[in-house]
Amino acid sequence: GAVVSQHPSWVICKSGTSVKIECRSLDFQATTMFWYRQFPKQSLMLMATSNEGSKATYEQGVEKDKFLINHASLTLSTLTVTSAHPEDSSFYICSARLPGGILVNEQFFGPGTRLTVL
Amino acid sequence: AQRVTQPEKLLSVFKGAPVELKCNYSYSGSPELFWYVQYSRQRLQLLLRHISRESIKGFTADLNKGETSFHLKKPFAQEEDSAMYYCALGGGKLIFGQGTELSVKP
Repeated sequence: GAVVSQHPSWVICKSGTSVKIECRSLDFQATTMFWYRQFPKQSLMLMATSNEGSKATYEQGVEKDKFLINHASLTLSTLTVTSAHPEDSSFYICSARLPGGILVNEQFFGPGTRLTVL
Repeated sequence: AQRVTQPEKLLSVFKGAPVELKCNYSYSGSPELFWYVQYSRQRLQLLLRHISRESIKGFTADLNKGETSFHLKKPFAQEEDSAMYYCALGGGKLIFGQGTELSVKP
């Protein structure tokens, strides 16, 4: 159980275009999802916390107008990279947290989306 | 401030040797700690959580509040243990350490 999927798994886009990445919890409802960015052989950097039905909470230094997050349902959160530039190229990972119980702080991770901006 | 430190970026051992991946944390209160593993080209997955006090794939980790550590240990490393290991501090959101790449050589 507790499977998280992401779509697409990789995407290449031109500079200046926008790209949407989807994160879905397949077998559970997630009131909270998280978006991370990971550089090669480096740790995960939390970008934002996505709460169903409310605005996302962004970490310091993350541009909310550039990385738009929408969590419209209990199983879907989307990250839109607007006006993408080559420096936005990275591996984006989402995770979802179970809504309650003893595992409340455990997160389940998606497989990631490789974004390359030309 | 909440922080997780993994001092070793790379740890290389031979098959059958003991392994210890270090993790130190800074947290005011009762910490909730995890070890996550990322095998090559696979997603991040939970290996251990301190609250369970379990052994997974031969790995164990004990929370030492006096030393603020949560080191990951395995008595006999296997080649399939080669991966990136991340220590994480929980409590609302996860704070990850920098990660340690474990390489087990034949």
